[in-house]
Amino acid sequence: ILNVEQSPQSLHVQEGDSTNFTCSFPSSNFYALHWYRWETAKSPEALFVMTLNGDEKKKGRISATLNTKEGYSYLYIKGSQPEDSATYLCAPNNAGNMLTFGGGTRLMVKP
Amino acid sequence: ETGVTQSPTHLIKTRGQQVTLRCSSQSGHNTVSWYQQALGQGPQFIFQYYREEENGRGNFPPRFSGLQFPNYSSELNVNALELDDSALYLCASNHPGRTSEQYFGPGTRLTVT
Repeated sequence: ILNVEQSPQSLHVQEGDSTNFTCSFPSSNFYALHWYRWETAKSPEALFVMTLNGDEKKKGRISATLNTKEGYSYLYIKGSQPEDSATYLCAPNNAGNMLTFGGGTRLMVKP
Repeated sequence: ETGVTQSPTHLIKTRGQQVTLRCSSQSGHNTVSWYQQALGQGPQFIFQYYREEENGRGNFPPRFSGLQFPNYSSELNVNALELDDSALYLCASNHPGRTSEQYFGPGTRLTVT
C-alpha cells in the first residue's frame, strides 16, 4: 500500500491569489502521477498524467511539476477564481494503472 | 462530461443486506476500476477488471465482488453490508496502458443503516 500525502488539507484564498499544493509519494517503482479536480456533485476530472522526472504540464491557469527522484509533485493555480473551488487529488499508479489517492486538498476561493 | 455513468445515484440499505451498483464505461474502454470514498478521505482502490476478468484488487474483503460485461458495463456487488460500507462508490474506465487517464463516473452514495 503506497503512502500518498497531500498538503495542506484545505485552503481558503481570495479571488486573484495564486496558490500551490503538494503531493508526496514513494519514489520507488514509479510509473505515473495523476492529478484530478473534483467539484462537489460532479465526477472527478483528470487534469494531468505525469510520467517523467522534471515534467511540467500546464492547462490554462493550472500547472504542475514532478520530481520522481524525491517523490513529490506541486500543483499551481495562478490568479485563483471562484470556479477553481474544488478538491484537488493526486494519485500515483502501479504497474497495472491502479491508483492510490492522497486525501486531497480542498480549495475554496472567495470572490 | 466523462462519458461514464453510474446508477443509482443514492441508495439506502440495511446492515446484512446485499447491494449491486452499476457503471457504464466509455465505449472502447475495456478496463474498469472501482473505488470507495469514505467521508473525509481520498478514494480507495477496490478492484480492477480488464476484459471481464479481475486484474487487481485492493485491501477489501471477498464480500466485495465485481462483474464486467462485453458491452462496457460493470457491477460492484457487496454482500453482508456493514455500517462502515457507507461511502461514495466511484467507477473509472480507461484504455489499457500503464499510464492511461482514467475517466470517472459521478458515483453512487451508499448509506447502510
